[in-house]
Amino acid sequence: DGGITQSPKYLFRKEGQNVTLSCEQNLNHDAMYWYRQDPGQGLRLIYYSQIVNDFQKGDIAEGYSVSREKKESFPLTVTSAQKNPTAFYLCATEVGYGYTFGSGTRLTVV
Amino acid sequence: QQPVQSPQAVILREGEDAVINCSSSKALYSVHWYRQKHGEAPIFLMILLKGGEQKGHDKISASFNEKKQQSSLYLTASQLSYSGTYFCGMSSSNTGKLIFGQGTTLQVKP
Repeated sequence: DGGITQSPKYLFRKEGQNVTLSCEQNLNHDAMYWYRQDPGQGLRLIYYSQIVNDFQKGDIAEGYSVSREKKESFPLTVTSAQKNPTAFYLCATEVGYGYTFGSGTRLTVV
Repeated sequence: QQPVQSPQAVILREGEDAVINCSSSKALYSVHWYRQKHGEAPIFLMILLKGGEQKGHDKISASFNEKKQQSSLYLTASQLSYSGTYFCGMSSSNTGKLIFGQGTTLQVKP
């Protein structure tokens, strides 16, 4: 069954720690996106990639980094420079007919 | 700039109708609509491309006025399953990158 898999579902980060959120897809889509959602808020774009080995910053890229070494994978690293990382993170792919979202990772700073 | 959605929240009885509006300060190429249940990923409802088209399936339809840079989502004879938060996503080009509105929470009561 084709889809997007995000892992882990829940992640706890200590202050000053880097953590990486996984996003894998088997839909053969070129474009992939990372969004952040805060409680009661809309989705804000962190990074996006439209082809392997290329990615662009979104509206809130500071404190985050990504890589796109394979078409199937678009991991997001939340670095210690991101001062308020507690949020729901959503990965999505798109091929012209709307986004397909993963089930999300809920990140909490402890 | 983030699209503006209105209203922020709606409470309906089953069978009633609702309209959710989304407007942008930028020229638009496409508008997407999504519904998100609490704690879940958003689900794609429909996409409208510039040209002023109207789309729909079942009792949910949408319009897109390119000149006014606005889109509206129409929910007719609402059902309990329509409850959730509705987001519009707007793109100013065919790159697929979306900027989302802040969301409209819809609650349908029996």
